[in-house]
Parts: sequence; C-alpha cells; structure tokens
Amino acid sequence: DGGITQSPKYLFRKEGQNVTLSCEQNLNHDAMYWYRQDPGQGLRLIYYSQIVNDFQKGDIAEGYSVSREKKESFPLTVTSAQKNPTAFYLCASSRASILKPQHFGDGTRLSIL
Amino acid sequence: AQTVTQSQPEMSVQEAETVTLSCTYDTSESDYYLFWYKQPPSRQMILVIRQEAYKQQNATENRFSVNFQKAAKSFSLKISDSQLGDAAMYFCAYRGNAGGTSYGKLTFGQGTILTVHP
Repeated sequence: DGGITQSPKYLFRKEGQNVTLSCEQNLNHDAMYWYRQDPGQGLRLIYYSQIVNDFQKGDIAEGYSVSREKKESFPLTVTSAQKNPTAFYLCASSRASILKPQHFGDGTRLSIL
Repeated sequence: AQTVTQSQPEMSVQEAETVTLSCTYDTSESDYYLFWYKQPPSRQMILVIRQEAYKQQNATENRFSVNFQKAAKSFSLKISDSQLGDAAMYFCAYRGNAGGTSYGKLTFGQGTILTVHP
C-alpha cells in the first residue's frame, strides 16, 4: 500500500547534537512538508518542498535544515541551534495540484535527554 | 498572512447527538481551500472533509458536513449521530491558491478536543 513512512517513532537528542528525522513516501507526490506540533497546539510549518532539489522555509525554520535529493525522501535535521526541539514532528506529502489534500505520516516524537 | 482560529479548546457530545465545531479564518485571497482534519490519540492526521471557496454548496461526507460562510469567513464542522470513534482533536486548516512560493501551504487552527460520552 502507498503511504508515508516516518522514522524513528521516538527519538532522543543530547545537548549540542544534531539529529535527523526520516520521511519517505511512495505515493509519487511532488510536494512534501514538515510540521511541528507542540502539546495542545496546532501544526506549524517548518519547511516544504514542491519539487526535487528545491525547498522553502516555512513559519518556524530557524534551527532546522532539510534536503530534497530524491522525490520520495525529505529528511529533516534538527540542529543544535534549535533550543526547544521537544515536540511531535509530522511529515506530509501531496500532488502539486492545489486540489489534492496532504497525506500525513504517523509522526516522530523528539525529546531532549 | 492567513490566520485560522478555533475558539473552542474543548467540546463534548453525547453519543448519537449532533455537535458543531467552529472555525474562522482571515485572508485577503479570493480563491482558497478549507479542510477539517481529525487527530485521534494515535496522533495520525486524517482528512475529514474539504471545501473549495468557489463552491457555494456546503461539502458533506456521510455524517460530517460543513457550514461555509465565505463573507463571514466562517467554516464550521457538524458531526451528526456522533460515535465514540469520533473522539479526537479536530483541526481546521486553510490552503491558499495565490501561486508563488506559498502555494499549497496549510495553515492550521489551534484545534478542538472533542469528547464523546456513551
């Protein structure tokens, strides 16, 4: 079945460490997105990519980095510059058409050790 | 910038009854799309229903329907014959169609926690 796979499900980061969250999709979607969700709050957009080798900053990009070398993959790196990384991270993808809704992965919970 | 506001942090409903969740938004665009997503305790985001702004007819999906008031910038979700499985966090979301680098971005409201009592 087609879908979006996020890994790992749980991740722990030490102080000063960079960590990378994986997002893979086999839906042949052009666009991919990363969102952050804090407890009791809505989703906020970190980065998004509409096409391979291109991506744009979302509303809260500071302390994060991404790459889009392959259509099916959009990894997110949480750098040591992100001082409050503890959150739930959701990856999504969609076709380029505005009519198509975004499909979401099951998320990664990142915590600080 | 677009904003989405859900003014009800929590709502509750009896099983088999009807409940309405509120959502308002602010935009200067004339062409856009609105969505309701459901997030159960598993944290998976599930699309419930969507509405194209150019359509006057309110969208319906089985027990779920919306009341879209474009002039008032209001987009409420009505759940009829509520079931225990409807218990979840519900998010209203806006997606613009203005083109450019912001094309396709989703802006979410803060969410409403729905409790269904047996």
